[in-house]
Amino acid sequence: DTEVTQTPKHLVMGMTNKKSLKCEQHMGHRAMYWYKQKAKKPPELMFVYSYEKLSINESVPSRFSPECPNSSLLNLHLHALQPEDSALYLCATSSGLPQETQYFGPGTRLLVL
Amino acid sequence: QKEVEQNSGPLSVPEGAIASLNCTYSDRGSQSFFWYRQYSGKSPELIMFIYSNGDKEDGRFTAQLNKASQYVSLLIRDSQPSDSATYLCALMMDSSYKLIFGSGTRLLVRP
Repeated sequence: DTEVTQTPKHLVMGMTNKKSLKCEQHMGHRAMYWYKQKAKKPPELMFVYSYEKLSINESVPSRFSPECPNSSLLNLHLHALQPEDSALYLCATSSGLPQETQYFGPGTRLLVL
Repeated sequence: QKEVEQNSGPLSVPEGAIASLNCTYSDRGSQSFFWYRQYSGKSPELIMFIYSNGDKEDGRFTAQLNKASQYVSLLIRDSQPSDSATYLCALMMDSSYKLIFGSGTRLLVRP
């Protein structure tokens, strides 16, 4: 069982489409993360929200736009993606303090055509 | 030099054996260490975390940390075929939110 859910599980989009990935957590955590994982590679950090404020942006291209509407929800808005953006997108959460354990959601498998 | 180094494997062990997974890191400022298990096509699942030197045991899993030698290891006792997965070592620096991952070690447990 996971208390971090991600929707959709799979997404296929064209390079001109606009889509959004959604992450929801019911763990009472105050830090939420987006990671990108390519095949046979470890996850790479994209964004960190701490107490609903963007605290880390790992120089991610502007075609990825994060949003944290409240402490339970995290969105990743996608626009004009490239085929090389195809990957597994993982949401993670932690308590809110630095150095705390991160728990991953099941991920969204994205394919950009 | 990569910040976190893991042997990519595969590490192949027979069922019932002890699997030993190792990880070295380069930055002495690293404070928190994590082991995640990832099945093919799935998301990483936390196995263990360790902050202090020494051993930490949880069921069949034991994490070992040696900050002086800058290595952290994961021992899996009585390995089962269901333990076959990629094991990711990760660390966090002091006061950081950023998990720094190794490239992962693929473990195969032969029935």
